[in-house]
Formats: sequence, structure tokens, C-alpha cells
Amino acid sequence: QSVLMQPPSVSGAPGQRVAISCTFNSSYIGTIHDVHWYQQRPGAAPKLIIFAGDNRPSGVPDRFSASQSGTSASLAITGLQAEDEADYYCQSYASSLRESVFGGGTKLTV
Amino acid sequence: QVQLVQSGAEVAKPGASVKVSCKASGYSFSSYYLLWVRQAPGQGLEWMGRINPGNGVTEYAQAFEGRIAMTRDRSTNTAYLELKNLRPGDTAHYYCAKICGGACYGGAFDVWGRGTLVTVSS
Repeated sequence: QSVLMQPPSVSGAPGQRVAISCTFNSSYIGTIHDVHWYQQRPGAAPKLIIFAGDNRPSGVPDRFSASQSGTSASLAITGLQAEDEADYYCQSYASSLRESVFGGGTKLTV
Repeated sequence: QVQLVQSGAEVAKPGASVKVSCKASGYSFSSYYLLWVRQAPGQGLEWMGRINPGNGVTEYAQAFEGRIAMTRDRSTNTAYLELKNLRPGDTAHYYCAKICGGACYGGAFDVWGRGTLVTVSS
């Protein structure tokens, strides 16, 4: 079972709000560090949109926000736009594995 | 501006090796870890390992131990990923990325190369 688990897909209408979960495998709770989020549009490299919990790099709209607890993380996108249609990945470092890990990715359909 | 420019697509036979390059510019190459992530067609992202360009120390994902090597050339600000004993399942886009620093923290990957497609086929 994966260290970080995401739903395969979510969808929402333009203008709506969606949330994407990233659930920690119970075997690794307590060893997962800050969660980061990436957006990947078709044919493009991933792009960092949230780092260390709920921080946005310069240029990322404030429609994107995130939260993190000891057992999961969540990415929220408000005011959905067609350009938000992409795959979204959570990522962190699992100290018990001494490896960085990605969630399986969630396809957002707008 | 900060950039990572990767080498072009490769085709290799099963059992062979491939070496992909990642040339950094716009920042202090030795100051930030570089890592490699791959993505098989239609699949998710997989972390392969990272290198400290300052001292060359590497950490590899267990899934690749024994057939992966990451190196760097500080004179050209270039990092390299070599994957050996290739299998058809190694067909993927291979991305290099930089650990963020300064205003960005927590170990996120803030700059990515465009990816290099490696196709393993007989």
C-alpha cells in the first residue's frame, strides 16, 4: 500500500470548490514531514503550487490552499477555472524510509 | 532565471544503460539538492533519488538500488542520472528537479526540467 493515498479523480463545475485528499498510510504516521502539492497539466512537467503545508510560491493564485494534520493533508481549489484541469500530486519525505514519496495523483476534471 | 535543461530523448535496448543530463543555470548549483523523478506513460510520479551537488553525496530509492548512479560536474553545473540494466518497465519520462530554498522551504521541489523520454525496446 502506498505511503500517501489520493483519490484517482475529482470533478467540479466552473466557479465551484473542490478538495483533494492525501491520506497517510497508518504504518507511516509520525514519520511523514511537510506535505507539498504539485499540478501537472498534460504534456508538461509538474509545477509546485503549495509547499510546507499551506504556502504558495510566487505567482500561484490564492484560489489554491491546503492544510495538513498528523494523518492527512488536503488541497482546496476555489473558484474553479477550466485551466485548473490537471493532475494533482501530494509529496512528502518519509523519514522511516529515508525517501521522498508521492501520492498516486488525482485527476481534476472541470 | 533559474532553469534546468535536460538532454534529449533516448532509445535503449533491454539490458543496456542510459545516461540523462540536467544542466542548471541561474542559481548556485552547489547549494541545493538535485533530485530525479520518473513517470511511466499514464502513471504517477516516482522519486528515484537525489544528489548533493556540493559534495556529490547521493541517496537512492530502494527500488533502484544497485542499478542507478547520480553524478555531477560542478565545472559545467550539470547533473547526470545513469540507469543500468534497463527493462521495458523503465520506459518513462525522467525529470530532474531542484530542492527549494530561500523563501521556499520544507524540502519541496520548486524548479523542474522539461523531462527526458527514455524508451526501452528491443
